[in-house]
Amino acid sequence: NAGVTQTPKFRVLKTGQSMTLLCAQDMNHEYMYWYRQDPGMGLRLIHYSVGEGTTAKGEVPDGYNVSRLKKQNFLLGLESAAPSQTSVYFCASSWGALTGELFFGEGSRLTVL
Amino acid sequence: AQKITQTQPGMFVQEKEAVTLDCTYDTSDPSYGLFWYKQPSSGEMIFLIYQGSYDQQNATEGRYSLNFQKARKSANLVISASQLGDSAMYFCAMREGSYGQNFVFGPGTRLSVLP
Repeated sequence: NAGVTQTPKFRVLKTGQSMTLLCAQDMNHEYMYWYRQDPGMGLRLIHYSVGEGTTAKGEVPDGYNVSRLKKQNFLLGLESAAPSQTSVYFCASSWGALTGELFFGEGSRLTVL
Repeated sequence: AQKITQTQPGMFVQEKEAVTLDCTYDTSDPSYGLFWYKQPSSGEMIFLIYQGSYDQQNATEGRYSLNFQKARKSANLVISASQLGDSAMYFCAMREGSYGQNFVFGPGTRLSVLP
């Protein structure tokens, strides 16, 4: 069972470069999320989607864009990377109900020099 | 304002003892869900336990139980008979919103189990 898969797992960028993180889930979940994890700050929500073709901003959306063209995929883009975006990024998916837990990918470690 | 507060950045517990990890939350929604996740040093996020806002009884899953005090808006995680493998970061989280779309996490508590 693949569950939630994130690619790439590791990436080093230079300031100003762009990149896209891909999240894919095979559980037919409606909801998908992108979080970033920084030491001492837990997981902070960047963007989320409640269905194909929909996206919404979370707590820390600046500098990021997302797209959900297919139900199973949720892409996170950095148009012009900054050192402040050095972090571990987690994608997660769930059913659309208050009782549904999040299923997480393994995380993607991004370093911006 | 912080929706999830975990006031213990780090905790120590002796192996085989019980430990309580604190979590308080803030919401005006009448319906919400509370979750605990474990993150070992390997980095993956592991779901532990869930409590619904209308659940009358505290949730239990094996050695994990959730001490839910709705009036105090607290959802503490109790781990009984701690094991060395319980050493990890623990995150409290809340799901709320008209469609359950908001899923927020606290800053976490690092638990260290001592032999």
